[in-house]
Amino acid sequence: EVQLMESGGDLAQPGGSLRLSCVASGFTFNNYEMNWVRQAPGKGLEWVSYISTSGSTRYYADSVKGRFTISRDNAKNSLYLQMNSLRAGDTAVYYCARVYSSSSGKTIDCWGQGTLVTVSS
Amino acid sequence: EIVLTQSPGTLSLSPGERATLSCRASQSVSSSYLAWYQQKPGQAPRLLIYGASSRATGIPDRFSGSGSGTDFTLTISRLEPEDFAVYYCHQYGSSPFTFGPGTKVDIK
Repeated sequence: EVQLMESGGDLAQPGGSLRLSCVASGFTFNNYEMNWVRQAPGKGLEWVSYISTSGSTRYYADSVKGRFTISRDNAKNSLYLQMNSLRAGDTAVYYCARVYSSSSGKTIDCWGQGTLVTVSS
Repeated sequence: EIVLTQSPGTLSLSPGERATLSCRASQSVSSSYLAWYQQKPGQAPRLLIYGASSRATGIPDRFSGSGSGTDFTLTISRLEPEDFAVYYCHQYGSSPFTFGPGTKVDIK
């Protein structure tokens, strides 16, 4: 069974830092591109960041560029999101999400249960 | 950035009725990279449709997707009680990989 398990969400002060982790199981992690997607309370989905299978290519939403860093450790089947200079607007549930590719298309197909990040003084 | 607009914002229907949800993109999206998700309160999103019209594994055939270019549609042929939820369209063709604001399908 494919599973993604996030952790690391917590209450942080504005300007503070957090590191989110996501451990994957049930599939060959190093074959899949990965993303972080977030959802503020009562709001819609917002894509945050992407990383290629090797980690050599990374993309970020403008809202987090320069503050967040995505990384992965394929030996540990793990995805990370280092979040610095946190703002109140970063308050959200953060989902780890796997990319599925086929001849018919490419998209996010599998999501973790999410981890809540709250930024408040 | 490709902006996705979904309409209507809320759709109030009864079980057994047909639901038609629209997703319009600010610029052309390859059909290969257009997906639809269902999300229920307190749960992660679930992939319904990818490649604009391919059903994901385990998705009932009452869900269908269509469209191309800038206009895409998700149709639920006959609403079941478990289908009342929020639906998001999503493009994975070019970064930033954007989502629509969602359409809430609620019980009339």
